[in-house]
Amino acid sequence: AQKVTQAQTEISVVEKEDVTLDCVYETRDTTYYLFWYKQPPSGELVFLIRRNSFDEQNEISGRYSWNFQKSTSSFNFTITASQVVDSAVYFCALSEGGSEKLVFGKGTKLTVNP
Amino acid sequence: NAGVTQTPKFQVLKTGQSMTLQCAQDMNHEYMSWYRQDPGMGLRLIHYSVGAGITDQGEVPNGYNVSRSTTEDFPLRLLSAAPSQTSVYFCASSHGLSWETQYFGPGTRLLVL
Repeated sequence: AQKVTQAQTEISVVEKEDVTLDCVYETRDTTYYLFWYKQPPSGELVFLIRRNSFDEQNEISGRYSWNFQKSTSSFNFTITASQVVDSAVYFCALSEGGSEKLVFGKGTKLTVNP
Repeated sequence: NAGVTQTPKFQVLKTGQSMTLQCAQDMNHEYMSWYRQDPGMGLRLIHYSVGAGITDQGEVPNGYNVSRSTTEDFPLRLLSAAPSQTSVYFCASSHGLSWETQYFGPGTRLLVL
């Protein structure tokens, strides 16, 4: 069964600090897909990244970067030089290749203080 | 394109009342799904559909019904609302199946008294 664990319930940082959000997943499939979504205080869900299990290259997009490590079943998300606008709940999610279901972690609430 | 739309944005129900949450998408997506979001619980899958005429249960289907008569629409029905169904409901859609990027609607906030 597929499962996603986001052990950090809440994180609080000061602006310009770097912060890493952890995501650990469980799956028996060799083909699977991992996602990160952002939910700002306004409530909508914003897609950030999708990564398949065959692509372990790290990804960088501006201040955002993702570290995918199959050896530790982790797909961690780092925000460099955090800003107040990064304050949100961040969700990690997993879909197995043969599944019709997307499973979410419980989310990590990030607060960036000025 | 409007993307994924949901109505209403907010609803108050009394225990035992029924209602339908509407979800529509104009992207010709095959896959549609409903999630509920509760504090500390993340998003949990209620029902999903891989195409018109095909629906299946997710993690928390009890108390909810769905149907998919068209590609565009995927309504969620509460037959007899209970306070435990107080939640924020999100509809999502994608090309292909659940491993494709899901596009979410703005959500419906439901309060059952």
